Amino acid sequence: GAVVSQHPSWVICKSGTSVKIECRSLDFQATTMFWYRQFPKQSLMLMATSNEGSKATYEQGVEKDKFLINHASLTLSTLTVTSAHPEDSSFYICSAMGGFSYNEQFFGPGTRLTVL
Amino acid sequence: GENVEQHPSTLSVQEGDSAVIKCTYSDSASNYFPWYKQELGKRPQLIIDIRSNVGEKKDQRIAVTLNKTAKHFSLHITETQPEDSAVYFCAASKVWDSTLTFGKGTMLLVSP
Repeated sequence: GAVVSQHPSWVICKSGTSVKIECRSLDFQATTMFWYRQFPKQSLMLMATSNEGSKATYEQGVEKDKFLINHASLTLSTLTVTSAHPEDSSFYICSAMGGFSYNEQFFGPGTRLTVL
Repeated sequence: GENVEQHPSTLSVQEGDSAVIKCTYSDSASNYFPWYKQELGKRPQLIIDIRSNVGEKKDQRIAVTLNKTAKHFSLHITETQPEDSAVYFCAASKVWDSTLTFGKGTMLLVSP
């Protein structure tokens, strides 16, 4: 149980285009989902926290107009990187939480974004 | 906000030795402390966690200790094996705030 999937697993796009990443909780309802960014050899940096049906809460320094987050249902959250640039190239990981022992987050497999 | 410091950044041990990774946190209200193992290009996987009402927790070769007074917690891996090689992250959070604050990670290399 507690499986989280992400799609796509990797994506290459041209500078200026937008990319959408999906995060799904497959066997539980996720009351809260989190989006992280991880640069090579670095730690996970929280970008935003989203609760189903409400606006995401962004961490300081994360541009909400550039990283659009939608948490439309209890099993799906999407992250859209708008007008992507090479500096946005990173490993994006989502996690989901809900209904289990408190505070435990279940991570998706990550999406490797490369912007040319 | 919470600040989590993790040491060492890299750790090399021989197979069969023990490995210890230490973390300190700044917010005394934090009460949940998970440890994650992340292999290259893969998702972080929870290997053990501890809550503030417990001082120690053990699961086979892995143990975590917590000292709330000193605000530090440690991961202990005994009888290390090459497959233990990975990056390990500690994290901290509070019960009313599900946000995890991660340490910078420790790259553990276990040589045969």
